[in-house]
Amino acid sequence: SQQGEEDPQALSIQEGENATMNCSYKTSINNLQWYRQNSGRGLVHLILIRSNEREKHSGRLRVTLDTSKKSSSLLITASRAADTASYFCATREEGGFQKLVFGTGTRLLVSP
Amino acid sequence: NAGVTQTPKFQVLKTGQSMTLQCAQDMNHEYMSWYRQDPGMGLRLIHYSVGAGITDQGEVPNGYNVSRSTTEDFPLRLLSAAPSQTSVYFCASSSRGGYNEQFFGPGTRLTVL
Repeated sequence: SQQGEEDPQALSIQEGENATMNCSYKTSINNLQWYRQNSGRGLVHLILIRSNEREKHSGRLRVTLDTSKKSSSLLITASRAADTASYFCATREEGGFQKLVFGTGTRLLVSP
Repeated sequence: NAGVTQTPKFQVLKTGQSMTLQCAQDMNHEYMSWYRQDPGMGLRLIHYSVGAGITDQGEVPNGYNVSRSTTEDFPLRLLSAAPSQTSVYFCASSSRGGYNEQFFGPGTRLTVL
């Protein structure tokens, strides 16, 4: 399996704090994507970073990518209770069908 | 647009029974995929399709069949259900190209007794 690993598995913070979660992967990639899953629901796309990019921002989200270390991080600034969810990274390999390979996820709990 | 729809939402089967999980999308996406999600294991790809009439195996295809007769529909068939297939199943679609996001359905929670 080429599944990535995410760290930490679970994270508990207070509203207003920043949340950082990390993703490591194994192969050369075309891009890396982050998804959010609210409890019992389908996944929702958050942000995509291409292999030739090092950092990307979208609202309160900041994603970094280090292809030399095969790792990425997702930073959520000024967290809100509504950010409580599981977060997954997914990598798209170079070439072929370019299917997504998902990590195991980080469960984020933001307390009011 | 309804996006990606899945039916049923919940299903309980007995070992050995067969059934079909339905998936449909109304976004004219070429790519469709089926994943299963088990606790602590993230999502694993079962089967995928790059267009009508074209399907291929993913990471965990054993015990499942798919077909893609139209762009819109991508059913997943369990041939002879086993307790190991107890899981939450997600269907996803995306347009052609490696930089496009996947859109997920709400999932089907399947229990095999």
